[in-house]
Amino acid sequence: DQQVKQNSPSLSVQEGRISILNCDYTNSMFDYFLWYKKYPAEGPTFLISISSIKDKNEDGRFTVFLNKSAKHLSLHIVPSQPGDSAVYFCAASARETSGSRLTFGEGTQLTVNP
Amino acid sequence: DAGVIQSPRHEVTEMGQEVTLRCKPISGHDYLFWYRQTMMRGLELLIYFNNNVPIDDSGMPEDRFSAKMPNASFSTLKIQPSEPRDSAVYFCASLPALGLNNEQFFGPGTRLTVL
Repeated sequence: DQQVKQNSPSLSVQEGRISILNCDYTNSMFDYFLWYKKYPAEGPTFLISISSIKDKNEDGRFTVFLNKSAKHLSLHIVPSQPGDSAVYFCAASARETSGSRLTFGEGTQLTVNP
Repeated sequence: DAGVIQSPRHEVTEMGQEVTLRCKPISGHDYLFWYRQTMMRGLELLIYFNNNVPIDDSGMPEDRFSAKMPNASFSTLKIQPSEPRDSAVYFCASLPALGLNNEQFFGPGTRLTVL
């Protein structure tokens, strides 16, 4: 039962363009969402998050959008840079029912070409 | 702060052998998580602890897997006996006391290969 899904295993974009990574979830109890970035041979690192009471959160080049009715969130990176090439994981939590537990998606490999 | 420390970074073993993975969480963090990463399933939560007590082990695949946290600064994940399908990257993560967000801090992982 994959409650968090990232349907695109990979994405390739040109430097300077926008990267859009998508994530869908099925559990309506999820109330907090996070994006992690992972480089090879390293652990995932936190990138940006959003609470279910918001529909957008922005941090520099990174913006996360949440559409609760569609149970969909997306991460926008603009402009994309070659250093953004990594695997991006979407994660969700249901803080009231599951506390600190995070459910992760499968990940999307982003490649930004110079 | 050294971050979450995991050892070994790489482990190659033969089927049937016992494997022990180790983790030192960030000092002062109340929660510790063990994850497994595979291509097919992404990051799966295996077990997590709060103040050294196991809270949810529903992700542990089978009885061959066990985890302990004898004190606040150390945890182990043991596989006995190991099988080729256990080959994966195993991550440990820690979290301060539960607050407004659930930002977990991950270690570098242990890449396990079972031949």
